[in-house]
Amino acid sequence: QSALTQPASVSGSPGQSITISCTGTSSDVGGYNYVSWYQQHPGKAPKIMIYHVSNRPSGVSNRFSGSKSGNTASLTISGLQAEDEADYYCSSYTRSSPYVFGTGTTVTVL
Amino acid sequence: EVLLLESGGGLVQPGGSLRLSCVASGFPFGSYAMSWVRQAPGKGLEWVSTISGLGDTTYYTDSVKGRFTISRDNSKNTLSLQMNSLRAEDTAIYYCAKLTYFDSSVYWGQGTLVTVSP
Repeated sequence: QSALTQPASVSGSPGQSITISCTGTSSDVGGYNYVSWYQQHPGKAPKIMIYHVSNRPSGVSNRFSGSKSGNTASLTISGLQAEDEADYYCSSYTRSSPYVFGTGTTVTVL
Repeated sequence: EVLLLESGGGLVQPGGSLRLSCVASGFPFGSYAMSWVRQAPGKGLEWVSTISGLGDTTYYTDSVKGRFTISRDNSKNTLSLQMNSLRAEDTAIYYCAKLTYFDSSVYWGQGTLVTVSP
């Protein structure tokens, strides 16, 4: 049940694109197409941004997209905006438990 | 509108017990698995436990096995987490959540703070 590995921080200027990686193993990210991404602003509950690797809920900007290759899932934010500044977490199904979260990534808009 | 309202958090001494509750509304509670997720101060999200819709299957993260018990009362749309033998490292905001990978029907409560300290 080890946490999935994410970079501690990623930054970009307004309008740029950034990508957050989420690295696991063949027992979690690599073994199942069950990856979600959450956005969390300070003091708030997490918000679903991507489910089932690459599906975007209605109401979530199309600037957010998800993908997966092997044991690594990725969240890309294009056209970075000030409101995107937040913490982001990936989550995956695992062979031994229904959920494991990533270590979290703080996105800073320069 | 979906609402998940947690209660029961507070300050407890190491070795003590606490029972968290979560009342759900706005969706067919008994049809879905429910989970508890915690977040220590300044730290990341950690999945704690999940219970099936019928309550007949439960899952726990290793660090709480044997100490925490998840349960539900579908007649009252209520999810519970009984926490025993609490440790300082259990200090966190505890979120009640309906999680799924299959669609966007993911809901979180606002959380309840549990502080384990002498």
